Amino acid sequence: AQSVAQPEDQVNVAEGNPLTVKCTYSVSGNPYLFWYVQYPNRGLQFLLKYITGDNLVKGSYGFEAEFNKSQTSFHLKKPSALVSDSALYFCAVSFLDRGSTLGRLYFGRGTQLTVWP
Amino acid sequence: GAVVSQHPSWVICKSGTSVKIECRSLDFQATTMFWYRQFPKQSLMLMATSNEGSKATYEQGVEKDKFLINHASLTLSTLTVTSAHPEDSSFYICSASQGTGGGVADTQYFGPGTRLTVL
Repeated sequence: AQSVAQPEDQVNVAEGNPLTVKCTYSVSGNPYLFWYVQYPNRGLQFLLKYITGDNLVKGSYGFEAEFNKSQTSFHLKKPSALVSDSALYFCAVSFLDRGSTLGRLYFGRGTQLTVWP
Repeated sequence: GAVVSQHPSWVICKSGTSVKIECRSLDFQATTMFWYRQFPKQSLMLMATSNEGSKATYEQGVEKDKFLINHASLTLSTLTVTSAHPEDSSFYICSASQGTGGGVADTQYFGPGTRLTVL
C-alpha cells in the first residue's frame, strides 16, 4: 500500500545551522514528491516538488530536497535555518494508480520544525 | 500566482444548521479541487475530490449527504456541511490543482483554511 513516512515528529535546530526534515515513501510505480509548509491556523504552502530529472530540487525560501530512488527518500534541507522557518512541514506523494483519484496526494504525518535563536 | 482563497476563514454555528464554505482559485483555472479536513496536530485527511461539471468523488467513510460538494465553475468549489453537529467541528482546507487537468504531477495549491465550530 502507498504510504509516506516522516519519522520525526519534531526537529529542533539552532538558527544558522543546517536543517534536514526526513521523508520516505512507498508507492507502486513512479513517485511524484512534494513538500509543503504550514504555519499555525493556515493552509499549506507549496515549497517544491520532484517529477523527473535532476535528483536535487530547489524550491522556495532557500529550501531544497534530494530524491533518492534506492533509499526511497526525499529529505528536505536548508543550509542555514532561520527562526521564521519554524512551522509544520508535510511531505506528500502522488503516483499513477488507475484505482484511485488522479492527482491525489498522500501525506505524511508532518514534522514540527523549531528553530531557536 | 497560484493563489487559492477560502471563505469564510472561521465560522461558528448552532447544531443542526448548515454551513457553506467557498474555495476559489484566484488566478488560474482548476478542473480539479480537493477538500481536506485536519484535526489538531494531525495530517490532512482527504474528504473528496471535486471535478468541474461532474459529481464529486468521496473518500471511504465520508458521508456524501452530509458534506455536499459543488464545483460549478473552473474557479469555484463549495463544501456545504449539512445539519452540522459538534463532531463536525474542524479545520477544513481546500486545494486546487494547477496543471493539465488533475494530472498526477500537478501541484496542488491550498487555501488558508476554514475553522468550523459547531455549538
